[in-house]
Amino acid sequence: DTGVSQDPRHKITKRGQNVTFRCDPISEHNRLYWYRQTLGQGPEFLTYFQNEAQLEKSRLLSDRFSAERPKGSFSTLEIQRTEQGDSAMYLCASSFFPSGNTEAFFGQGTRLTVV
Amino acid sequence: QQQVKQSPQSLIVQKGGISIINCAYENTAFDYFPWYQQFPGKGPALLIAIRPDVSEKKEGRFTISFNKSAKQFSLHIMDSQPGDSATYFCAASKRGSQGNLIFGKGTKLSVKP
Repeated sequence: DTGVSQDPRHKITKRGQNVTFRCDPISEHNRLYWYRQTLGQGPEFLTYFQNEAQLEKSRLLSDRFSAERPKGSFSTLEIQRTEQGDSAMYLCASSFFPSGNTEAFFGQGTRLTVV
Repeated sequence: QQQVKQSPQSLIVQKGGISIINCAYENTAFDYFPWYQQFPGKGPALLIAIRPDVSEKKEGRFTISFNKSAKQFSLHIMDSQPGDSATYFCAASKRGSQGNLIFGKGTKLSVKP
């Protein structure tokens, strides 16, 4: 499978616990993005990396959220002290920049439920 | 402030009909306008995208119409099929940052057989 891979697909956690998600982008893609999608809404941008550098963070990314892409390949998104409002689908996408065709490919997401 | 407004919220179309979904944007710095299709439990998948230097782009049964002066763009699905039943999102992004997409709220399309 050469698409964007996310793990786990589902995560149920108790409020206050920390969770970490992993994203493996398409291998030749140098840009990696994290989005959050709540039920009935479009995805909302959280942050993106070009290679290992985190270039932009949304104001949605509170200080409880941290993302890394240590070697410019896979990325992790950690949420500390989870709250019920963190329940959402967390989507990862990747693209190659610069490119005339700048399509961002999305993974299937990690659905987080905070109980 | 919602930067990309999408309508309608839901749409029911008979098989073989034309599905039309509309989006409007405010930020004139946007220069890339994709449409994504999402099935339940799946990530969004790119359907078709357009840049503001053209007024229309067609790929198979899917057509984007773009009106730069009105800051509006729309998706037309010709000969709609039950397999097209999904949620459709329009989006927009700025030059050099096409992966930083601003999405509309989505349109749930149901195509009745």
